[in-house]
Amino acid sequence: DAKTTQPTSMDCAEGRAANLPCNHSTISGNEYVYWYRQIHSQGPQYIIHGLKNNETNEMASLIITEDRKSSTLILPHATLRDTAVYYCIVRSTGQGSGTASKLTFGTGTRLQVTL
Amino acid sequence: GAVVSQHPSRVICKSGTSVKIECRSLDFQATTMFWYRQFPKQSLMLMATSNEGSKATYEQGVEKDKFLINHASLTLSTLTVTSAHPEDSSFYICSARVRGKEQYFGPGTRLTVT
Repeated sequence: DAKTTQPTSMDCAEGRAANLPCNHSTISGNEYVYWYRQIHSQGPQYIIHGLKNNETNEMASLIITEDRKSSTLILPHATLRDTAVYYCIVRSTGQGSGTASKLTFGTGTRLQVTL
Repeated sequence: GAVVSQHPSRVICKSGTSVKIECRSLDFQATTMFWYRQFPKQSLMLMATSNEGSKATYEQGVEKDKFLINHASLTLSTLTVTSAHPEDSSFYICSARVRGKEQYFGPGTRLTVT
């Protein structure tokens, strides 16, 4: 699985956009970039994923560079409830029938949204 | 998004006893379920992957005889921690996925072994 590198922590003022970067320079052509977040003492929550094109949903936008070696998760208007650890994950495709691809978590970025 | 539940949310047990944790996909049928463990201030570590009706695949270093996984139906998987010891105290999180779809996580179970 390709590895990802994220900053350990970031701060963001409430109401401002939070831009969380992720490097995945060894990503292969058929691997997706996934973003999850984990609020303290809860299970991870799916945010968004993408392959090549930029993606947007009701939670966030995902910007993937043309060479796919890095991406940025954008929370357009951060709120206090967005304080969490954000994980950028490159998902393996698995091999062989019946073999599930795995989500391997790194250390993530701890985003602190402040007033 | 799809809902995954876990039961119990918290459990305290004595050293040497066994504990069973249930994971259910409430509004979808999961072809694959995953079990993770998370120690304080650390990231999630995948323990095992199970497909309905077949034996679980354990990650390196995870004792399959200690962490028994049963995936008897498309909506239920159980993790049994056998002969639990204090070092097994952790946050256990299950996850479920339909083939080709996103992976959804349960709320986690905090196990404390005294």
